[in-house]
Amino acid sequence: AQSVSQHNHHVILSEAASLELGCNYSYGGTVNLFWYVQYPGQHLQLLLKYFSGDPLVKGIKGFEAEFIKSKFSFNLRKPSVQWSDTAEYFCAVNANQAGTALIFGKGTTLSVSS
Amino acid sequence: DSGVTQTPKHLITATGQRVTLRCSPRSGDLSVYWYQQSLDQGLQFLIQYYNGEERAKGNILERFSAQQFPDLHSELNLSSLELGDSALYFCASSVSGTVEGHGYTFGSGTRLTVV
Repeated sequence: AQSVSQHNHHVILSEAASLELGCNYSYGGTVNLFWYVQYPGQHLQLLLKYFSGDPLVKGIKGFEAEFIKSKFSFNLRKPSVQWSDTAEYFCAVNANQAGTALIFGKGTTLSVSS
Repeated sequence: DSGVTQTPKHLITATGQRVTLRCSPRSGDLSVYWYQQSLDQGLQFLIQYYNGEERAKGNILERFSAQQFPDLHSELNLSSLELGDSALYFCASSVSGTVEGHGYTFGSGTRLTVV
């Protein structure tokens, strides 16, 4: 069964530090990849998505992610985090053969101190 | 406001009871997805409906069932509740029956506490 692994459970950074959150998936076929963010007390929101084309995807709020097919990875990056980036981040995968459901990782909590 | 409405926001009930969670998708969206979020399991896909028909099933227990009505709202029924069913239940919607080209739009969730 396909699965999604997020390596870091909790990341603590100071403002202006660079961020990279790891995401690996297990499915070997064609995949669609997503990062969602959940701010405290709010619903999940789409940060960015990859379907095809340029493996470097830019999303909202300065986030980007790189799809590396050979490593089955889709890591999220931001050059300089802000206090307002404090949230939980979820990586998700949809494998075409598995229907339309998104399979989510367990999430990474990011805490940014000012 | 995401456009996906879930009610109630909080629910406290006793073991063995049955509850119904409701979700109204964003206007124009035909697909509804239900997810369970718990601390140990993360976000688990339960079930998907598209235009009234069941489209995909995930890790949904036999004690749980769902349906989507002609007006496209969906209900998730949880019965014979156990303490371990305590979780945040999310509903999401999308325009089509496939995720390609569209992400999901999530609701704010219903927090279920079983005591």
